[in-house]
Amino acid sequence: QKEVEQDPGPLSVPEGAIVSLNCTYSNSAFQYFMWYRQYSRKGPELLMYTYSSGNKEDGRFTAQVDKSSKYISLFIRDSQPSDSATYLCAMSGYIYGGSQGNLIFGKGTKLSVKP
Amino acid sequence: DTEVTQTPKHLVMGMTNKKSLKCEQHMGHRAMYWYKQKAKKPPELMFVYSYEKLSINESVPSRFSPECPNSSLLNLHLHALQPEDSALYLCASSRIQGQPQHFGDGTRLSIL
Repeated sequence: QKEVEQDPGPLSVPEGAIVSLNCTYSNSAFQYFMWYRQYSRKGPELLMYTYSSGNKEDGRFTAQVDKSSKYISLFIRDSQPSDSATYLCAMSGYIYGGSQGNLIFGKGTKLSVKP
Repeated sequence: DTEVTQTPKHLVMGMTNKKSLKCEQHMGHRAMYWYKQKAKKPPELMFVYSYEKLSINESVPSRFSPECPNSSLLNLHLHALQPEDSALYLCASSRIQGQPQHFGDGTRLSIL
């Protein structure tokens, strides 16, 4: 079993739809849970992150972490064509120094929002 | 615009050339990273610097040589690369190692 699993899609939705992106993980030592958005020919952009568990909201975006189920989600409300990108989940153990502080990425989900 | 700046944006080099990639951040971050990303794959970690000292080398071939001259700058020196080294090379930084990272837009490297 891989440490982080993410459905690569592709996922295609109409403009205005609610999008749900998900990742599962196996390492209970993860403490930081991140979502990155990557447009074509650009670097990953840190969209949101959560430390430990719980929810976080920023405009149209909501990130949720369920540590008991080892499951994280990113919801995008009122999706726009400009949201079309690859979304990568990433996690780290945040132990100072050593490899447990490394980011472990999912494979990324390619999202297309059609006008 | 990202807060991590990488130059050049594009680089084409022959297998016998020597070139360097540069990365700069002014967020006061004390951890900096080099990643390699192939098409339709997530970034793969190459090196980690923490407080200007090499913390992690993920068994990267010696034709890649990192350098951290100060807390704001990170270089990646390239020599005798192979065609399979063609990829997007990303730099990232974080407040300290293990915390969420901010990425630059990368250098797209092509080896002829």
